[in-house]
Amino acid sequence: DAGITQSPRHKVTETGTPVTLRCHQTENHRYMYWYRQDPGHGLRLIHYSYGVKDTDKGEVSDGYSVSRSKTEDFLLTLESATSSQTSVYFCAISPVEGAGELFFGEGSRLTVL
Amino acid sequence: AQSVTQPDIHITVSEGASLELRCNYSYGATPYLFWYVQSPGQGLQLLLKYFSGDTLVQGIKGFEAEFKRSQSSFNLRKPSVHWSDAAEYFCAVVMDSSYKLIFGSGTRLLVRP
Repeated sequence: DAGITQSPRHKVTETGTPVTLRCHQTENHRYMYWYRQDPGHGLRLIHYSYGVKDTDKGEVSDGYSVSRSKTEDFLLTLESATSSQTSVYFCAISPVEGAGELFFGEGSRLTVL
Repeated sequence: AQSVTQPDIHITVSEGASLELRCNYSYGATPYLFWYVQSPGQGLQLLLKYFSGDTLVQGIKGFEAEFKRSQSSFNLRKPSVHWSDAAEYFCAVVMDSSYKLIFGSGTRLLVRP
């Protein structure tokens, strides 16, 4: 299995509070992604990174920010959580862009009350 | 607009029966095509992928998929389903030079004993 660890795996928080999810990889892959999974929507890309300090927006980036200060860590931050951000968040990594296989973490379930 | 459609939300088959899961995309050129599987509570795992060449591709766990350009389809098949195949299946495509992976909304497979 690809070495991807997401933390926390479960979190319950209140509206308006900041939340940070962490993705840690031991594979030294260049590309890292954050997706959210919601029923009926499949997985939607939030943000991705193509190197240290190099990030870009996905299709549902509003309300989220990311940072990547080290190859192995990709942080997703909800500055002020809303109930619409209740979801399961998946981190994925890849050694190549686009044509390569994505390796997924086990997900972080976030509930915003 | 570019899109990926999985028209079946749920499919139920009997163990030992054949399976076909449908995937259609909307894009002017040939995309990169993928099928992923997600077992309950887990991340996604790549089953197979198509970039070019032979339009019938073999994957893991006995799955195969056929790319049909004329129908803009990439349907997933298995000749004999096992109870362990019960999971959610996602079709995904890379449709442009952004190399972002776009997922369909998924098809949940239920297997009857």
